[in-house]
Amino acid sequence: DTEVTQTPKHLVMGMTNKKSLKCEQHMGHRAMYWYKQKAKKPPELMFVYSYEKLSINESVPSRFSPECPNSSLLNLHLHALQPEDSALYLCASSQDRQGANSNQPQHFGDGTRLSIL
Amino acid sequence: SQQGEEDPQALSIQEGENATMNCSYKTSINNLQWYRQNSGRGLVHLILIRSNEREKHSGRLRVTLDTSKKSSSLLITASRAADTASYFCATVTQAGTALIFGKGTTLSVSS
Repeated sequence: DTEVTQTPKHLVMGMTNKKSLKCEQHMGHRAMYWYKQKAKKPPELMFVYSYEKLSINESVPSRFSPECPNSSLLNLHLHALQPEDSALYLCASSQDRQGANSNQPQHFGDGTRLSIL
Repeated sequence: SQQGEEDPQALSIQEGENATMNCSYKTSINNLQWYRQNSGRGLVHLILIRSNEREKHSGRLRVTLDTSKKSSSLLITASRAADTASYFCATVTQAGTALIFGKGTTLSVSS
């Protein structure tokens, strides 16, 4: 069991649907991350939240909309996705945001496997 | 953008043997981390080595870091079938604020 919980584990949606991915951690971490991972590829960073504020957006298309309602929760709202958006979406957290003065690991959830029809 | 490159891409060994994976990176780093990912699961942090450290141990894991060659290695001793997974190195650059993952090594340990 991981300390970062992601729901749902699997999601199948059409290109016109609106859905949300949820991520929760209760470790008191102040930084949270969304990654996208295609099969047999490394995770690619999408968004970073630090103290509930968006600090990094890696040029992600606007059909992906992140939200951090509080320090324990991170959502990823999905709308009008494309088939190429099918992937494993991973959430992670760390005590503080990674940086030059920070040496700390990230804790990952098991991801949501998203399939776009 | 990817910072690290793992070598080899795939490795198959027998239980009890040692497994060595290498990682090279391009720019100066603050630290280098190794993660394991079992099929269909999230990533699990294994070990973090800071830029001013040269070697670190954790159980059956040994990590080395050579900043002059911009490379790191992960050694798993006395491997077990449960070690079968993908292994990624990840770096935090001195200028960056996030992890950048390498392409990964897929390790298969057969009994």
